[in-house]
Amino acid sequence: AQRVTQPEKLLSVFKGAPVELKCNYSYSGSPELFWYVQYSRQRLQLLLRHISRESIKGFTADLNKGETSFHLKKPFAQEEDSAMYYCALSGATSGTYKYIFGTGTRLKVLA
Amino acid sequence: DAGVTQSPTHLIKTRGQQVTLRCSPKSGHDTVSWYQQALGQGPQFIFQYYEEEERQRGNFPDRFSGHQFPNYSSELNVNALLLGDSALYLCASSRQDLNSPLHFGNGTRLTVT
Repeated sequence: AQRVTQPEKLLSVFKGAPVELKCNYSYSGSPELFWYVQYSRQRLQLLLRHISRESIKGFTADLNKGETSFHLKKPFAQEEDSAMYYCALSGATSGTYKYIFGTGTRLKVLA
Repeated sequence: DAGVTQSPTHLIKTRGQQVTLRCSPKSGHDTVSWYQQALGQGPQFIFQYYEEEERQRGNFPDRFSGHQFPNYSSELNVNALLLGDSALYLCASSRQDLNSPLHFGNGTRLTVT
């Protein structure tokens, strides 16, 4: 079954602490993995994608094919990082256009 | 660039009625996808339109149908509304190539009573 699992509905950390949002996936082909973020009163927007291998707003994510994971990490959380984060995969390399999203993790960064 | 725009923002309908939601893609994008997001869930793929045709469909009944116009804008139609159709409906646009990421609109909140 094709699935994206985000085990934490809510993650609270203090400002300056490291943060890791977990994402595991199940897919029979070679998926492309993404993290999308939704800040308060804003639309869902792309944060980063694994093929870009870049750091956005201090966040990084490494695709681990052995563990089928794509965890999102940031060494020092900021209050402005508080948002809803969705992990998603697309089967682009398999010729499918749909994205499969996880249920999301709400990150709260406490002052 | 206005990005992806959706209308209306909110809608209240009665069971059995029909609804049409509208979406204008981001400038330069020719592909439109529709997603349903129930409360506490991630977006679920309904279908994607490209070149005015449905290119791929998710696990949604035939009550859900769509259309894409020559200017790339799109409509989502839902017939015979059920209470369970209450959700946020998101439109996302992209370029037609497989690696083009999605750009989302703000969504239409549909409430079925």
